[in-house]
Amino acid sequence: AQSVAQPEDQVNVAEGNPLTVKCTYSVSGNPYLFWYVQYPNRGLQFLLKYITGDNLVKGSYGFEAEFNKSQTSFHLKKPSALVSDSALYFCAVRDSINFNKFYFGSGTKLNVKP
Amino acid sequence: DAGVTQSPTHLIKTRGQQVTLRCSPKSGHDTVSWYQQALGQGPQFIFQYYEEEERQRGNFPDRFSGHQFPNYSSELNVNALLLGDSALYLCASSSNSRSYNSPLHFGNGTRLTVT
Repeated sequence: AQSVAQPEDQVNVAEGNPLTVKCTYSVSGNPYLFWYVQYPNRGLQFLLKYITGDNLVKGSYGFEAEFNKSQTSFHLKKPSALVSDSALYFCAVRDSINFNKFYFGSGTKLNVKP
Repeated sequence: DAGVTQSPTHLIKTRGQQVTLRCSPKSGHDTVSWYQQALGQGPQFIFQYYEEEERQRGNFPDRFSGHQFPNYSSELNVNALLLGDSALYLCASSSNSRSYNSPLHFGNGTRLTVT
């Protein structure tokens, strides 16, 4: 079965500092991994994905993620955080059979302080 | 190009009542999936519709049902509402012809409160 885990409920970082939001995964077969962001009272917005290829994936708004097969991790990163990055971040893995079925983590609230 | 649209945005119902939520997929998409996001949790898969049929279902009771129309729009129906059904209900659309490479596109959701 597919699953992802986000070990941190909340991450606090100062504006201008680098940020990391952690995600580990458990899959049978190839991992199809995604990061989404959710702002208050809004749906989920796609940030980036890993399907195959380079382990460092670049996405929207300056975010990137590093896929690490040996550690089964897919951490979200950004070199310099902005206050506007404050939101709820979800890691997700796609089902290996039904590609419309995603398994989401419990979410990590990112707080970027000025 | 309109994205995924959902209606209504908010809804308050009483226990035991029935509710219908609506979703129009992104232009060019033919597949609709529904997710339930309880407070403080990640979204959970309810079911998926393609070609007007339910294709796969998550771990939700039969009180949750749906429908897809010829124009690809979809409805989610919940009968005999329970307090625990209070959540944000998200609709996501995709194209069945796309590969594992394509992300799901989500609407802004319907916030359902059951009192």
